[in-house]
Amino acid sequence: ETVMTQSPATLSVSPGERATLSCRASQSVSINLAWYQQKPGQAPRLLIYGASTRATGIPARFSGSGSGTEFTLTISSLQSEDFAVYYCQQYNDWPTFGQGTKVEIK
Amino acid sequence: QVQLQESGPGLVKPSETLSLICTVSGGSINNYYWSWIRQPAGKGLEWIGRIYFTGSTYYNASLKSRVTMTVDTSKTQFSLKLSSVTAADTAVYYCARDPDGINRFDPWGQGTLVTVSS
Repeated sequence: ETVMTQSPATLSVSPGERATLSCRASQSVSINLAWYQQKPGQAPRLLIYGASTRATGIPARFSGSGSGTEFTLTISSLQSEDFAVYYCQQYNDWPTFGQGTKVEIK
Repeated sequence: QVQLQESGPGLVKPSETLSLICTVSGGSINNYYWSWIRQPAGKGLEWIGRIYFTGSTYYNASLKSRVTMTVDTSKTQFSLKLSSVTAADTAVYYCARDPDGINRFDPWGQGTLVTVSS
């Protein structure tokens, strides 16, 4: 099993600021990495796949980078609707998720 | 656009079998993989397994002995059965589409809470 570790657990950011979220895999997953956003009471929504490809309809302020074991999700200028929990997920082998990073209003 | 909706009992007794159905609307069930994913309250996400429209399945090794998935293309539905449930199986259960068979999930259903309790 590939274990995904996200940091930090909680990120406090002011609206308009940049947010940088990290995800580390216990073994290489190449670029088989996705990011999801989940708001309270809602299902996760796919943001990024292939480590850096935005899913359909996802704003350009969301960007992903990395390969192998280290990945980053960057939100360039946080909007009010971006405060949520973000999960990374690898699909290099059977899929596993990180524990999430909560982005909260500072 | 395709939409998914989970349905099934919200309460299951310990040792019994959890049964859920996911109904696909607004798009075809054919030529896609379909997954079940669960999330215990306040915790992270766990992939349960997937089924292809042909009925081919692949399950999470940790749950494999208790999981059965089936598909009914005529009803555009697929299902999950999880046997011998315990309180640890209490979670929100989501169904999701895997657009290209590589285990990335888009879109998801809204989720349904299943509580295991006597």
